[in-house]
Amino acid sequence: KQEVTQIPAALSVPEGENLVLNCSFTDSAIYNLQWFRQDPGKGLTSLLLIQSSQREQTSGRLNASLDKSSGRSTLYIAASQPGDSATYLCAVTSNFGNEKLTFGTGTRLTIIP
Amino acid sequence: DAGVTQSPTHLIKTRGQQVTLRCSPISGHKSVSWYQQVLGQGPQFIFQYYEKEERGRGNFPDRFSARQFPNYSSELNVNALLLGDSALYLCASSFGQGGFTDTQYFGPGTRLTVL
Repeated sequence: KQEVTQIPAALSVPEGENLVLNCSFTDSAIYNLQWFRQDPGKGLTSLLLIQSSQREQTSGRLNASLDKSSGRSTLYIAASQPGDSATYLCAVTSNFGNEKLTFGTGTRLTIIP
Repeated sequence: DAGVTQSPTHLIKTRGQQVTLRCSPISGHKSVSWYQQVLGQGPQFIFQYYEKEERGRGNFPDRFSARQFPNYSSELNVNALLLGDSALYLCASSFGQGGFTDTQYFGPGTRLTVL
């Protein structure tokens, strides 16, 4: 059974700093990994999708890496801004035949102005 | 382009009642998935439908059911509501091409409160 873990559960950093969020998964047989952002009480916004054959993806100030063999992914946020404050969730697809996403419990990020 | 839409936004029900939640996918998307997110937890997979056929089911009791219509919109039904069904219910849509490259896009969710 696939399990996804995100540590730490919460993180506070001063504005302008670079930061890294961590995600680990127990079964390396994944199809892809997605990073999402969730604002309080809202739906999820897809940030990046990394296919299982890829090592990293970049979008603006965000860079996500994937090490499938070790079951780890990181989300790097450069030059953090107060608007980056949200909960960040990672999720993997690992079921053949359907698109079930298995989520971690998220990291709640607070950027201090 | 409009994103994934869900209705209603909020809902309050009492134990034992039944509820129907609705989702309209992004235009061109043929797959709809439903997730339950309890406060402080990550979303849990309930169902996926593709071309009106159930493609996947999570570990939820038979009180939960869903269907997809010819226009690819979907309904999630929950019978005999329990206090533990209180959660944010999320709908996601995709082209349904498979797990490798298919990004799933989520709606704003329906907040269900069971009293």
